[in-house]
Amino acid sequence: NAGVMQNPRHLVRRRGQEARLRCSPMKGHSHVYWYRQLPEEGLKFMVYLQKENIIDESGMPKERFSAEFPKEGPSILRIQQVVRGDSAAYFCASSPQKGSQETQYFGPGTRLLVL
Amino acid sequence: DQQVKQNSPSLSVQEGRISILNCDYTNSMFDYFLWYKKYPAEGPTFLISISSIKDKNEDGRFTVFLNKSAKHLSLHIVPSQPGDSAVYFCAAPDSSNTGKLIFGQGTTLQVKP
Repeated sequence: NAGVMQNPRHLVRRRGQEARLRCSPMKGHSHVYWYRQLPEEGLKFMVYLQKENIIDESGMPKERFSAEFPKEGPSILRIQQVVRGDSAAYFCASSPQKGSQETQYFGPGTRLLVL
Repeated sequence: DQQVKQNSPSLSVQEGRISILNCDYTNSMFDYFLWYKKYPAEGPTFLISISSIKDKNEDGRFTVFLNKSAKHLSLHIVPSQPGDSAVYFCAAPDSSNTGKLIFGQGTTLQVKP
């Protein structure tokens, strides 16, 4: 049973370009969470999705950021017109169902560097 | 508004001794707490959890203590091993019941051989 997969593991973009980060949840998991870790900080929640639905995007910046989790394929976190402040590690986590008792399993992260 | 706080950025311990990592929280509605361990260039991995109806949970070398009146929890590792060197995050699911986690800033533990 493969764990949560994220790709790419490292991504370098110039200011103004687009970044697409992919997350494939564990088999049987239909809940995906995205978190961002800025340097020297803890992980901060960004968005929570189920298949074809955004459930909670309260942690997403209002502009340039979007997320989806289509019926088929991985979840995508998209950052348009990246700026240097977007440089961070982006982690996704999956769980089989929502609720405070369910453990979230994290992927290895995508490290985004904006030049 | 930092609802979960880890005030010690780092901790250094000798192999074989006890490591104690601390975490404070402000929201009395939290009903569950988790500790995650993170190695460099990897994602966090779940370590141990505790429900708010308990004051202690033990799993091998790892024990988590919860003091609800003080809004404080701690992770004890006994005996500490060099492989325990990592960043440790405490976290709590927020009260919205979506399962999203609120993390502390993390404590970097170094266990010296």
